[in-house]
Amino acid sequence: EAGVVQSPRYKIIEKKQPVAFWCNPISGHNTLYWYLQNLGQGPELLIRYENEEAVDDSQLPKDRFSAERLKGVDSTLKIQPAELGDSAVYLCASSLASGGPSYNEQFFGPGTRLTVL
Amino acid sequence: AQKVTQAQTEISVVEKEDVTLDCVYETRDTTYYLFWYKQPPSGELVFLIRRNSFDEQNEISGRYSWNFQKSTSSFNFTITASQVVDSAVYFCALSEAGYSSASKIIFGSGTRLSIRP
Repeated sequence: EAGVVQSPRYKIIEKKQPVAFWCNPISGHNTLYWYLQNLGQGPELLIRYENEEAVDDSQLPKDRFSAERLKGVDSTLKIQPAELGDSAVYLCASSLASGGPSYNEQFFGPGTRLTVL
Repeated sequence: AQKVTQAQTEISVVEKEDVTLDCVYETRDTTYYLFWYKQPPSGELVFLIRRNSFDEQNEISGRYSWNFQKSTSSFNFTITASQVVDSAVYFCALSEAGYSSASKIIFGSGTRLSIRP
Protein backbone atom coordinates (compact mmCIF):
# COMPACT_ATOMS: atom_id res chain seq x y z
CA GLU A 1 0.00 0.00 0.00
CA ALA A 2 1.35 3.41 -0.96
CA GLY A 3 2.11 5.82 1.83
CA VAL A 4 1.48 9.54 1.98
CA VAL A 5 2.90 11.18 -1.13
CA GLN A 6 4.23 14.70 -1.17
CA SER A 7 5.71 16.81 -3.92
CA PRO A 8 8.00 18.42 -4.54
CA ARG A 9 10.54 17.01 -2.10
CA TYR A 10 12.66 20.13 -2.31
CA LYS A 11 11.88 23.68 -3.38
CA ILE A 12 14.10 26.74 -3.53
CA ILE A 13 12.52 30.10 -4.21
CA GLU A 14 13.30 33.76 -3.73
CA LYS A 15 11.43 35.74 -1.13
CA LYS A 16 8.14 37.28 -2.18
CA GLN A 17 7.56 34.47 -4.68
CA PRO A 18 4.56 32.14 -4.33
CA VAL A 19 4.99 28.42 -3.66
CA ALA A 20 2.67 25.44 -3.45
CA PHE A 21 3.02 21.99 -1.94
CA TRP A 22 0.93 18.98 -2.83
CA CYS A 23 -0.08 16.01 -0.70
CA ASN A 24 -1.88 12.80 -1.59
CA PRO A 25 -2.96 10.89 1.53
CA ILE A 26 -3.23 7.16 1.97
CA SER A 27 -6.26 5.81 0.13
CA GLY A 28 -9.32 5.81 2.35
CA HIS A 29 -7.92 8.26 4.89
CA ASN A 30 -10.44 11.04 5.33
CA THR A 31 -8.36 13.11 7.76
CA LEU A 32 -5.42 15.09 6.42
CA TYR A 33 -2.94 17.21 8.34
CA TRP A 34 -0.33 19.77 7.35
CA TYR A 35 2.55 20.29 9.78
CA LEU A 36 5.39 22.80 9.78
CA GLN A 37 8.77 21.63 11.02
CA ASN A 38 11.40 24.29 11.64
CA LEU A 39 15.04 23.29 11.85
CA GLY A 40 15.81 21.63 15.16
CA GLN A 41 12.19 21.55 16.23
CA GLY A 42 9.33 19.11 16.26
CA PRO A 43 6.45 19.40 13.81
CA GLU A 44 3.65 21.83 14.59
CA LEU A 45 0.13 21.47 13.23
CA LEU A 46 -0.91 24.08 10.69
CA ILE A 47 -4.28 22.75 9.56
CA ARG A 48 -6.40 19.62 9.77
CA TYR A 49 -9.05 18.51 7.31
CA GLU A 50 -11.93 16.12 7.84
CA ASN A 51 -12.79 15.22 4.24
CA GLU A 52 -12.95 18.60 2.48
CA GLU A 53 -13.64 20.65 5.62
CA ALA A 54 -10.89 22.48 7.47
CA VAL A 55 -11.81 21.73 11.10
CA ASP A 56 -8.71 23.17 12.77
CA ASP A 57 -6.78 25.97 11.09
CA SER A 58 -6.04 27.99 14.21
CA GLN A 59 -2.28 27.79 13.68
CA LEU A 60 -2.33 28.67 9.98
CA PRO A 61 -0.99 32.20 9.28
CA LYS A 62 -3.87 33.23 7.11
CA ASP A 63 -2.31 36.41 5.80
CA ARG A 64 0.03 34.47 3.54
CA PHE A 65 -0.84 30.79 3.91
CA SER A 66 -3.80 29.03 2.37
CA ALA A 67 -4.81 25.42 1.92
CA GLU A 68 -7.46 23.50 0.09
CA ARG A 69 -8.76 19.98 -0.19
CA LEU A 70 -11.50 20.40 -2.74
CA LYS A 71 -12.56 16.80 -3.28
CA GLY A 72 -11.63 15.50 0.12
CA VAL A 73 -8.65 13.57 -1.19
CA ASP A 74 -5.43 15.36 -2.10
CA SER A 75 -4.54 18.75 -0.72
CA THR A 76 -2.50 21.80 -1.62
CA LEU A 77 -0.77 24.18 0.79
CA LYS A 78 0.19 27.56 -0.62
CA ILE A 79 2.36 30.43 0.60
CA GLN A 80 2.05 33.80 -1.08
CA PRO A 81 4.29 35.69 -0.77
CA ALA A 82 7.02 33.59 0.83
CA GLU A 83 9.30 35.12 3.46
CA LEU A 84 12.76 34.11 4.61
CA GLY A 85 11.31 32.73 7.83
CA ASP A 86 9.15 30.27 5.93
CA SER A 87 12.20 28.10 5.21
CA ALA A 88 11.29 24.81 6.84
CA VAL A 89 10.00 21.32 6.14
CA TYR A 90 6.28 21.02 5.44
CA LEU A 91 4.92 17.62 6.41
CA CYS A 92 1.64 16.09 5.40
CA ALA A 93 -0.01 13.29 7.35
CA SER A 94 -3.24 11.34 7.07
CA SER A 95 -5.37 9.08 9.23
CA LEU A 96 -8.60 7.16 8.97
CA ALA A 97 -10.36 9.55 11.32
CA SER A 98 -9.52 11.86 14.17
CA GLY A 99 -10.83 11.72 17.73
CA GLY A 100 -13.42 9.20 18.79
CA PRO A 101 -13.20 6.28 21.17
CA SER A 102 -10.24 4.71 19.47
CA TYR A 103 -7.09 6.24 18.16
CA ASN A 104 -6.28 6.19 14.47
CA GLU A 105 -2.61 6.55 13.68
CA GLN A 106 -1.31 9.45 11.68
CA PHE A 107 0.97 8.41 8.85
CA PHE A 108 3.47 11.00 7.68
CA GLY A 109 4.80 11.76 4.26
CA PRO A 110 8.48 12.53 3.53
CA GLY A 111 7.89 16.28 3.60
CA THR A 112 8.79 19.18 1.34
CA ARG A 113 11.91 21.07 2.29
CA LEU A 114 11.44 24.75 1.41
CA THR A 115 14.34 27.16 1.18
CA VAL A 116 13.53 30.83 0.74
CA LEU A 117 16.46 32.97 -0.42
CA ALA B 1 -1.66 23.61 28.21
CA GLN B 2 0.04 20.59 26.77
CA LYS B 3 3.81 20.48 26.53
CA VAL B 4 6.49 17.92 25.76
CA THR B 5 10.08 18.46 26.89
CA GLN B 6 13.06 16.57 25.54
CA ALA B 7 15.95 18.05 27.47
CA GLN B 8 18.62 16.11 25.58
CA THR B 9 19.30 17.96 22.34
CA GLU B 10 22.01 15.60 21.12
CA ILE B 11 23.39 12.28 22.29
CA SER B 12 26.38 10.45 20.87
CA VAL B 13 27.36 6.94 21.92
CA VAL B 14 29.52 4.16 20.60
CA GLU B 15 27.83 1.26 18.89
CA LYS B 16 26.55 -1.49 21.20
CA GLU B 17 26.12 0.89 24.12
CA ASP B 18 22.71 1.28 25.69
CA VAL B 19 21.13 4.74 25.46
CA THR B 20 18.06 6.31 27.06
CA LEU B 21 16.17 9.23 25.60
CA ASP B 22 14.24 11.25 28.15
CA CYS B 23 10.76 12.70 27.71
CA VAL B 24 8.72 14.72 30.20
CA TYR B 25 5.20 15.86 29.39
CA GLU B 26 2.59 18.22 30.78
CA THR B 27 -1.16 17.91 30.37
CA ARG B 28 -4.29 18.61 32.38
CA ASP B 29 -6.17 15.80 30.72
CA THR B 30 -6.68 12.49 32.44
CA THR B 31 -6.92 10.66 29.14
CA TYR B 32 -4.17 11.12 26.60
CA TYR B 33 -1.75 9.31 24.34
CA LEU B 34 2.03 9.37 24.27
CA PHE B 35 4.17 8.59 21.24
CA TRP B 36 7.70 8.15 20.05
CA TYR B 37 8.62 8.83 16.44
CA LYS B 38 11.92 8.34 14.62
CA GLN B 39 13.02 10.75 11.90
CA PRO B 40 15.95 9.42 9.87
CA PRO B 41 17.90 11.67 7.48
CA SER B 42 15.35 10.94 4.76
CA GLY B 43 12.95 13.13 6.71
CA GLU B 44 9.95 10.86 7.06
CA LEU B 45 8.51 10.45 10.55
CA VAL B 46 8.39 6.80 11.49
CA PHE B 47 5.92 5.77 14.17
CA LEU B 48 7.51 3.67 16.94
CA ILE B 49 4.98 3.40 19.75
CA ARG B 50 1.76 4.77 21.21
CA ARG B 51 0.70 4.40 24.83
CA ASN B 52 -2.66 5.19 26.41
CA SER B 53 -2.53 7.14 29.66
CA PHE B 54 -4.35 4.33 31.46
CA ASP B 55 -1.75 1.76 30.53
CA GLU B 56 1.45 2.23 32.50
CA GLN B 57 2.83 -1.16 31.66
CA ASN B 58 6.30 -0.88 30.22
CA GLU B 59 6.83 -2.25 26.75
CA ILE B 60 9.69 -3.98 25.02
CA SER B 61 10.06 -4.47 21.30
CA GLY B 62 13.32 -6.07 20.32
CA ARG B 63 16.10 -3.70 21.29
CA TYR B 64 13.62 -0.93 22.10
CA SER B 65 11.90 -0.44 25.44
CA TRP B 66 9.72 2.26 26.90
CA ASN B 67 9.25 3.29 30.53
CA PHE B 68 6.00 5.17 31.22
CA GLN B 69 5.65 6.70 34.69
CA LYS B 70 2.62 8.89 35.33
CA SER B 71 3.94 9.85 38.78
CA THR B 72 6.81 11.74 37.16
CA SER B 73 5.05 12.51 33.85
CA SER B 74 7.80 10.77 31.97
CA PHE B 75 7.90 8.45 28.99
CA ASN B 76 11.51 7.45 28.43
CA PHE B 77 12.85 5.41 25.54
CA THR B 78 15.81 3.04 25.80
CA ILE B 79 17.73 1.45 22.96
CA THR B 80 19.75 -1.56 24.02
CA ALA B 81 22.91 -2.53 22.15
CA SER B 82 22.64 0.47 19.84
CA GLN B 83 23.47 0.19 16.16
CA VAL B 84 24.57 2.74 13.59
CA VAL B 85 21.16 2.43 11.90
CA ASP B 86 19.58 3.83 15.05
CA SER B 87 21.12 7.22 14.25
CA ALA B 88 18.23 9.64 13.76
CA VAL B 89 16.24 12.35 15.47
CA TYR B 90 13.72 10.95 17.92
CA PHE B 91 10.57 12.81 18.89
CA CYS B 92 8.37 12.27 21.89
CA ALA B 93 4.80 13.47 21.44
CA LEU B 94 1.49 13.85 23.26
CA SER B 95 -2.11 13.87 22.09
CA GLU B 96 -5.38 14.37 23.87
CA ALA B 97 -8.03 11.70 23.43
CA GLY B 98 -11.61 12.14 22.33
CA TYR B 99 -13.55 14.01 19.67
CA SER B 100 -13.11 17.50 21.09
CA SER B 101 -9.37 17.57 20.67
CA ALA B 102 -9.38 15.34 17.65
CA SER B 103 -5.93 13.87 17.64
CA LYS B 104 -3.81 17.02 17.65
CA ILE B 105 -0.27 15.85 18.34
CA ILE B 106 2.12 18.02 20.32
CA PHE B 107 5.74 17.17 19.59
CA GLY B 108 8.84 17.74 21.66
CA SER B 109 11.85 19.41 20.09
CA GLY B 110 13.57 16.10 19.45
CA THR B 111 16.81 14.39 20.45
CA ARG B 112 19.43 13.82 17.79
CA LEU B 113 21.02 10.44 18.40
CA SER B 114 24.34 9.58 16.77
CA ILE B 115 25.72 6.07 17.03
CA ARG B 116 29.44 5.89 16.28
CA PRO B 117 30.90 2.68 14.87
